Amino acid sequence: GAGVSQTPSNKVTEKGKYVELRCDPISGHTALYWYRQSLGQGPEFLIYFQGTGAADDSGLPNDRFFAVRPEGSVSTLKIQRTERGDSAVYLCASSLSGGMGEETQYFGPGTRLLVL
Amino acid sequence: QKEVEQDPGPLSVPEGAIVSLNCTYSNSAFQYFMWYRQYSRKGPELLMYTYSSGNKEDGRFTAQVDKSSKYISLFIRDSQPSDSATYLCAMSGPGTASKLTFGTGTRLQVTL
Repeated sequence: GAGVSQTPSNKVTEKGKYVELRCDPISGHTALYWYRQSLGQGPEFLIYFQGTGAADDSGLPNDRFFAVRPEGSVSTLKIQRTERGDSAVYLCASSLSGGMGEETQYFGPGTRLLVL
Repeated sequence: QKEVEQDPGPLSVPEGAIVSLNCTYSNSAFQYFMWYRQYSRKGPELLMYTYSSGNKEDGRFTAQVDKSSKYISLFIRDSQPSDSATYLCAMSGPGTASKLTFGTGTRLQVTL
């Protein structure tokens, strides 16, 4: 079956612009996660959805970042007034039901965001 | 200080060598420990999962967790060029089981 897909694969934007990054999780997975991976670093947690609701958004760096999952499937990460420091790979992951440490999170290939 | 420390490498070994990758952590609440492999321009994929202390073996891979020392290891036997990738340790704890905390990743190169 299909894995987690993310679009676009690459996004170049200018400082101050608004961007949207999309994630399609594995069909049937109720839990969805967003991480950010800067160059030479490991992924850093941003937000976790259980169904349609954000169960943990403690990793969002500031109020310029927002994510939604209106129908409990596809999720969109939205970044307003982008800054050069937002440049990174944004990874999405999904798991079957979430909230349990032993449950595997399956990652997508990521969206590479470059803010000029 | 980061919650999870991992030597970024790069680590270069000849084909057939035994590779040892390690992470240390500071949060004693962590009880789920994972190793992910990430190829260039790809997302991480789960290699090994261990709950609490102990060893786990899967083919050429062995994961060890020592909670008393807050130290985890991944051993790769008979390393192959296809093992060349970045290896990320990750961990989580009760109440935050959905939130993985990753190490920096160690870049491994297995040469012919």
